[in-house]
Amino acid sequence: AQKITQTQPGMFVQEKEAVTLDCTYDTSDPSYGLFWYKQPSSGEMIFLIYQGSYDQQNATEGRYSLNFQKARKSANLVISASQLGDSAMYFCAMREGPNTGGFKTIFGAGTRLFVKA
Amino acid sequence: NAGVTQTPKFQVLKTGQSMTLQCAQDMNHEYMSWYRQDPGMGLRLIHYSVGAGITDQGEVPNGYNVSRSTTEDFPLRLLSAAPSQTSVYFCASSSGTGLKRGYTFGSGTRLTVV
Repeated sequence: AQKITQTQPGMFVQEKEAVTLDCTYDTSDPSYGLFWYKQPSSGEMIFLIYQGSYDQQNATEGRYSLNFQKARKSANLVISASQLGDSAMYFCAMREGPNTGGFKTIFGAGTRLFVKA
Repeated sequence: NAGVTQTPKFQVLKTGQSMTLQCAQDMNHEYMSWYRQDPGMGLRLIHYSVGAGITDQGEVPNGYNVSRSTTEDFPLRLLSAAPSQTSVYFCASSSGTGLKRGYTFGSGTRLTVV
């Protein structure tokens, strides 16, 4: 069954340092996509980064990178040079392919990140 | 502005009442989904659609109905509201050819059932 696990309810990081937010997943579909979203206190959902199951390289988008370890079924988000504006809730999500999940996307419980000045 | 529009933004219902949460997108996206967000539980998928006329159940479909008669609209109906349905509801859409870009989300509907 499709499952996403985020084990860190809350994380603290010092401004300008890097931080890793953990995400593990479970699926039987060889074709899937992994996503990270940010939800600031304003409540909007913002797409950050995508990793496909067949992608050979880890995805990067500016200060965001996804540490994709397929054998371990993990897709951790790394934020480099943290900024105060990075304080938010972060969600990991997975979309399965048409053979199993019908393109539905499920989310983890989220990790709240606090950036300290 | 292009995007996903949800109405209303806030709603208070009495137990047993029914209502429809509206969701419309003007990006010609094939995929649309409804989620509910509760503290500590992330976003849980209620129903989703991969195109007009096609819908399917998500993780928590009980008490909710959907239909997709057009590409643009994907309304969510609460049949008989219960306090357990107090939540923030998000509608999201994505292009079938642009799944790498992730979902575009609406701004959410905060629903309270008393």
